[in-house]
Amino acid sequence: DGGITQSPKYLFRKEGQNVTLSCEQNLNHDAMYWYRQDPGQGLRLIYYSQIVNDFQKGDIAEGYSVSREKKESFPLTVTSAQKNPTAFYLCASSITQGISYTGELFFGEGSRLTVL
Amino acid sequence: AQKVTQAQTEISVVEKEDVTLDCVYETRDTTYYLFWYKQPPSGELVFLIRRNSFDEQNEISGRYSWNFQKSTSSFNFTITASQVVDSAVYFCALAYGQNFVFGPGTRLSVLP
Repeated sequence: DGGITQSPKYLFRKEGQNVTLSCEQNLNHDAMYWYRQDPGQGLRLIYYSQIVNDFQKGDIAEGYSVSREKKESFPLTVTSAQKNPTAFYLCASSITQGISYTGELFFGEGSRLTVL
Repeated sequence: AQKVTQAQTEISVVEKEDVTLDCVYETRDTTYYLFWYKQPPSGELVFLIRRNSFDEQNEISGRYSWNFQKSTSSFNFTITASQVVDSAVYFCALAYGQNFVFGPGTRLSVLP
């Protein structure tokens, strides 16, 4: 079945360590996104990519990095520079059909990162 | 600036009651889209509906209905005869181009 796969579902990290969250989609979508969700807050955009080998910072990109070497994959690295990394991370994708159309976002099941 | 407000942080209802989740948005764009998503305990956001700014027709899908009013910048969501399986966090979102702005969400608890 088509969809978005995120891994791992749960991750624990010691302070000072970098961790990479995986996001893979087989929906043939051009655009991919990473969001962070904290309790009581909406989703905040970290990075997004509308095409392979190109990505843009979102509202809270500091302390994070991404790559988009393949259409299907958009991994997120949470670096030691991120001051408060404990959160729920959601990956999403969508089709792009020009500026006059906005397709819905399709989401993965999320990765919960806890810093010990 | 684009903004989405969901004033209700948490709502509790008893099964079979009707419940309305409020969503108010702010935008200066004339072309935009509005969405509702459901986030069950599993964590994945599930798409419920998309509306573009030129279509103010209300929509009904089973027990779900949506009321879009541009005059009040609102896009409210009503669940009729609620069920325990409706318990989730519901997000309203505004999209312009490929940019999405999410509201803070409303946690709905439907008690048996």
